[in-house]
Amino acid sequence: DARVTQTPRHKVTEMGQEVTMRCQPILGHNTVFWYRQTMMQGLELLAYFRNRAPLDDSGMPKDRFSAEMPDATLATLKIQPSEPRDSAVYFCASGFRGYEQYFGPGTRLTVT
Amino acid sequence: KNEVEQSPQNLTAQEGEFITINCSYSVGISALHWLQQHPGGGIVSLFMLSSGKKKHGRLIATINIQEKHSSLHITASHPRDSAVYICAVKATSGSRLTFGEGTQLTVNP
Repeated sequence: DARVTQTPRHKVTEMGQEVTMRCQPILGHNTVFWYRQTMMQGLELLAYFRNRAPLDDSGMPKDRFSAEMPDATLATLKIQPSEPRDSAVYFCASGFRGYEQYFGPGTRLTVT
Repeated sequence: KNEVEQSPQNLTAQEGEFITINCSYSVGISALHWLQQHPGGGIVSLFMLSSGKKKHGRLIATINIQEKHSSLHITASHPRDSAVYICAVKATSGSRLTFGEGTQLTVNP
């Protein structure tokens, strides 16, 4: 049963700390997306990769956020330094050639 | 004006009722997705469609490209259908999705 996995599922951290979220896409999928969901903004795209290359990261605050795909089985999203307004659920999704996207369970981040 | 608008925002129904959720968009798209998000937070893709109609069990999704409109129908609704239903469109170029604000559906027994 192939699925997208994300770690950690929950993270509580203090303002100013670095946060790293990890995503393992479904094997064979070549497109990986990072989304953020808040009560105020709903779901929004932060960045996405195709064949490990970043295609669009315009939704991501560049000064503190970074997204990478060190290899085809791992995508990371880092926030440094974290701020309370970064508190949200971060979803990773993977897909193949623009077809359906499969969402991971999300990482619930709380920055105090 | 948002690129993707859903109606209604909230919908309460009695078990067994036929339900319709609407989605209108203003940009050229290559595909439209319907997603379901349960109270636990997980997101499931229900449909991806670019024309016509798709059916899966009690769920039916239709799209009219000329009118830039899609509908999600649920027949014989059940309390387990209670969730947020989100419409998302994929622009003609690229893979990014733009999301509607979601429709909170509550089906009472």
